[in-house]
Amino acid sequence: DSGVTQTPKHLITATGQRVTLRCSPRSGDLSVYWYQQSLDQGLQFLIQYYNGEERAKGNILERFSAQQFPDLHSELNLSSLELGDSALYFCAREGLAGIPGELFFGEGSRLTVL
Amino acid sequence: DQQVKQNSPSLSVQEGRISILNCDYTNSMFDYFLWYKKYPAEGPTFLISISSIKDKNEDGRFTVFLNKSAKHLSLHIVPSQPGDSAVYFCAARDGEGADGLTFGKGTHLIIQP
Repeated sequence: DSGVTQTPKHLITATGQRVTLRCSPRSGDLSVYWYQQSLDQGLQFLIQYYNGEERAKGNILERFSAQQFPDLHSELNLSSLELGDSALYFCAREGLAGIPGELFFGEGSRLTVL
Repeated sequence: DQQVKQNSPSLSVQEGRISILNCDYTNSMFDYFLWYKKYPAEGPTFLISISSIKDKNEDGRFTVFLNKSAKHLSLHIVPSQPGDSAVYFCAARDGEGADGLTFGKGTHLIIQP
């Protein structure tokens, strides 16, 4: 159990639509990361939040945005969806063992854009 | 530009033999390297890591080797077991971790009985 819950697990929508993916880390986890895994790509870092503030930004499109709420859950908003946005979206929290780069990933949300 | 490359999309190894997964990188600022394992319908799970100041780290059946001059690392699994069949991702962290982890595209390891 990674301690990270993602909803929904699967989502099918049409081009041009907007969706929201949700991530709930364990209670007390201040950090949350979002990653995208497309069919022909490895995991691409999108964005990191720490205690409600954006800490680092990766290859996140302007059509995408994220936020972390006071209860520390996070949402990733994807708008004006395109076919190429079809991917697995993972949320992750940091490990507590102090291993640099150790992340615990949720099971992911599979987005299909038709 | 891919900073972390896994050139073998798949690898088939017989049960009990050694599995060697390879990874190359280009960014000299990477200070930690990690391997993650992923089963279908699950998120990646952390397997083992190595600091850039070391050349070897071992944890049970898993050993990671780092050759900084060649910008190359490898994961050795010995002996390979059926449960090791999964996709393995190589990942790297830059000095401050400000850009998140950079992942390779993964290698699908298949352990044959």
